[in-house]
Amino acid sequence: DIQMTQSPSSLSASVGERVTITCRASQSITTYLNWYQHRPGKAPRLLIHVAGSLRSGVPSRFSGSGAGTDFTLTIRGLQPEDFATYYCQQTYSLPYTFGQGTKVAIK
Amino acid sequence: QVQLVESGGGVVQPGRSLRLSCVASGFIFNNFGMHWVRQAPGKGLEWVAFISSDGSNKDYGKSVKGRFTISRDNSKNTLYLQMSSLTVEDTAVYYCARSSYRQLMPGDWFDPWGQGSQVTVSS
Repeated sequence: DIQMTQSPSSLSASVGERVTITCRASQSITTYLNWYQHRPGKAPRLLIHVAGSLRSGVPSRFSGSGAGTDFTLTIRGLQPEDFATYYCQQTYSLPYTFGQGTKVAIK
Repeated sequence: QVQLVESGGGVVQPGRSLRLSCVASGFIFNNFGMHWVRQAPGKGLEWVAFISSDGSNKDYGKSVKGRFTISRDNSKNTLYLQMSSLTVEDTAVYYCARSSYRQLMPGDWFDPWGQGSQVTVSS
């Protein structure tokens, strides 16, 4: 199975700050990497697919990059509604696996 | 709007069975493969199963293979997850999610997801 490792596991940030979350795959997954946002009690929400494509309707302050084994999710200008847990996911091969999550909390 | 709504969760004893349902609306259900994903308490997301748009192809995660069965009724726009021989390790919130493709394909993404259905396995 492909292991996905996110860092950090949690972070504290203020509204307006820039936040960067990294995700590393245990082997190359080309660009088959997605990012999701998950707020407690809500449905997970797709933000970015195939590493860098912003899902329609997602604010442009979210961006993704990377290829191979190393990927990044960046939030420029953190908003109150962005405090949530973020997951990366590889869909290169089964079983599709997720990172352990990065919880973004209010500083 | 595009929506998925799960139901059928609850409290069940170890060794028993339970069936989850996921009703889809706002899109042509039989054009898309579907996934189940779960989240155990305090844990991350775990992919559980996939079914192709016509129901002909299915795949399962190792922890549920042989115990869980994914199916769909395209006439009812409904996805199912039949869970058998449940253990306490199956306690989780179960989400259904739409695939981007009809068949299992690399580069898939899950969008949208349902709100989830809580399954608790306890004696």
